[in-house]
Amino acid sequence: DTGVSQDPRHKITKRGQNVTFRCDPISEHNRLYWYRQTLGQGPEFLTYFQNEAQLEKSRLLSDRFSAERPKGSFSTLEIQRTEQGDSAMYLCASSSRTGYQETQYFGPGTRLLVL
Amino acid sequence: GQQLNQSPQSMFIQEGEDVSMNCTSSSIFNTWLWYKQDPGEGPVLLIALYKAGELTSNGRLTAQFGITRKDSFLNISASIPSDVGIYFCAGQVGSGNTGKLIFGQGTTLQVKP
Repeated sequence: DTGVSQDPRHKITKRGQNVTFRCDPISEHNRLYWYRQTLGQGPEFLTYFQNEAQLEKSRLLSDRFSAERPKGSFSTLEIQRTEQGDSAMYLCASSSRTGYQETQYFGPGTRLLVL
Repeated sequence: GQQLNQSPQSMFIQEGEDVSMNCTSSSIFNTWLWYKQDPGEGPVLLIALYKAGELTSNGRLTAQFGITRKDSFLNISASIPSDVGIYFCAGQVGSGNTGKLIFGQGTTLQVKP
């Protein structure tokens, strides 16, 4: 399977703990996105990488959140001092751009529950 | 900020019926995408639209990119039980560096056998 993969699929943590999620994009894709989805809502953009450069961050991404893509391949999203409001599905998507066309393919997501 | 209004919010139909859902925006998008999401999974791409007025089919699915670039619709013909799920439209401005997607609120589809 050469799709986007995410690990772990589920994470339960206690408030105040740090968590880290990993995303492995489709191998030839140079663009990688993180989104957050809460129950009953569509995904919301968090941040975006082109190769290893983080080019855009949403205002949703507080100082407790940090994302990296050190070698332009996999990416990690870390949440420090988790809060109950961080409970959500965290989705990763990857894409490559051909001319003006770009299609994002999503991974299965990491569901986070903060107790 | 940019928002997409997706309707209807939910649909409960009989197997074999056709389904139509749409998205509208106050902003212009250069790309419209339609995704389907099953519970606990990530969105799966159904159809991508790149040009205003474009009409694209994928099996029983047909989607159109509105001429004004502010709307799109998705039709599903002859629905079957496996069509059950949440359907999302997503718009992409696509200019400059950012390719972030703006999503609608989703249409939950239930199909009665």
